Amino acid sequence: SQKIEQNSEALNIQEGKTATLTCNYTNYSPAYLQWYRQDPGRGPVFLLLIRENEKEKRKERLKVTFDTTLKQSLFHITASQPADSATYLCALVGGSSASKIIFGSGTRLSIRP
Amino acid sequence: DVKVTQSSRYLVKRTGEKVFLECVQDMDHENMFWYRQDPGLGLRLIYFSYDVKMKEKGDIPEGYSVSREKKERFSLILESASTNQTSMYLCASSRSREGAKNIQYFGAGTRLSVL
Repeated sequence: SQKIEQNSEALNIQEGKTATLTCNYTNYSPAYLQWYRQDPGRGPVFLLLIRENEKEKRKERLKVTFDTTLKQSLFHITASQPADSATYLCALVGGSSASKIIFGSGTRLSIRP
Repeated sequence: DVKVTQSSRYLVKRTGEKVFLECVQDMDHENMFWYRQDPGLGLRLIYFSYDVKMKEKGDIPEGYSVSREKKERFSLILESASTNQTSMYLCASSRSREGAKNIQYFGAGTRLSVL
């Protein structure tokens, strides 16, 4: 069955450094990969989508890579700030209109001042 | 901005009660979804609907049913609540199920406790 794994341990980063979160998957060939941010007690909020034929996508301080050979996506936040502290979820999306989205369990990121 | 509104932020119910969770979206989205989120298990899909009066089972439909009488409203029903249904319930909508357009817009969630 499809499996999606994110760092189960919380990630603690010093403010100003680059935070890197990992999303690995098996038994699936997604056409798209999404990243969401979730704050405590709130629903996830969409951040970025990357397609299987894209190696990298950027949005302001965010960068996502997608390696379909390694079956891995990396999510980077550069010049991290305490306001970036949240849980980040990756999600796999298939290519057909009947595809469901498969979410990872998320990585909790803490940025200390 | 898309708004997905869930009727309650917190609910406390007794075992055996019938529970209704309501969700409304204001962007005319075709698709609506119900998930539950538990620590370490991530988001698990309960049911989804891609049209009015249409519904499909997700990965964990047992013990739940849904209703979509109007495009903007999607209800989750726990026919007889049990303690193992204590969880955070999240409603979402999306414009399309086609890959790149299948971006999920979530409500704030309902934290349900079944005693």
